[in-house]
Amino acid sequence: EIVMTQSPATLSVSPGEGATLSCRASESIDNNLAWYQQKPGQAPRLLIYGASTRATGIPVRFSGSGSGTEFTLTISSLQSDDLAVYYCQHYNDWRAFGQGTKVEFK
Amino acid sequence: QVQLHLSGPGLVKPSETLSLTCTVTGGSMSLYYWTWLRQPPGKGLEWLGYVFYTGGTNYNPSLRGRLTMSIDMSKNQFSLSLNSVTAADTAVYYCARKASAFGIFDPWGQGSLVTVSS
Repeated sequence: EIVMTQSPATLSVSPGEGATLSCRASESIDNNLAWYQQKPGQAPRLLIYGASTRATGIPVRFSGSGSGTEFTLTISSLQSDDLAVYYCQHYNDWRAFGQGTKVEFK
Repeated sequence: QVQLHLSGPGLVKPSETLSLTCTVTGGSMSLYYWTWLRQPPGKGLEWLGYVFYTGGTNYNPSLRGRLTMSIDMSKNQFSLSLNSVTAADTAVYYCARKASAFGIFDPWGQGSLVTVSS
């Protein structure tokens, strides 16, 4: 069973600064990774799939990178609308999601 | 665009069956996998399983035996039943679409809190 580990649990960033979120797989998952954004009281929304492809309508300040076991979601300039919990998900297992990273303003 | 709307009771008694329905609008259900997930309060996401448009199903092994998923293409709906519920099944339940059995979840329904309590 592949385990997804996200870090940090909480990320505090100043408005307009960049944010870097990490997701690690316990074994290689190639590029079979997605990122989701979940705002309070809302369903998750797909941001990135295939590790680096932005979903429809996602702003360019969101970018994904990585393959194998190490993945990164980068928000280039943090805005108030980006305050949320971010989950990574690998495609091929029931235990698909990481535990999430909460992004907040410093 | 495709939208999913979840409906069902918000309160279920222990040992009873939790039943939810997801209605799909704005697109066809054909060729897709229709899935259920849940999120206990303050916790992460758990994928429960899926029903294919043909009616085939696959369930998370951790809940196999308690789960039943079905689809009604004529009503553009798919459903979840979870029997023998306990307080541990209290969660926000989501429905979502998948283009492949193991792939991304997109889009998602709005979510519905189901509380298990007497």
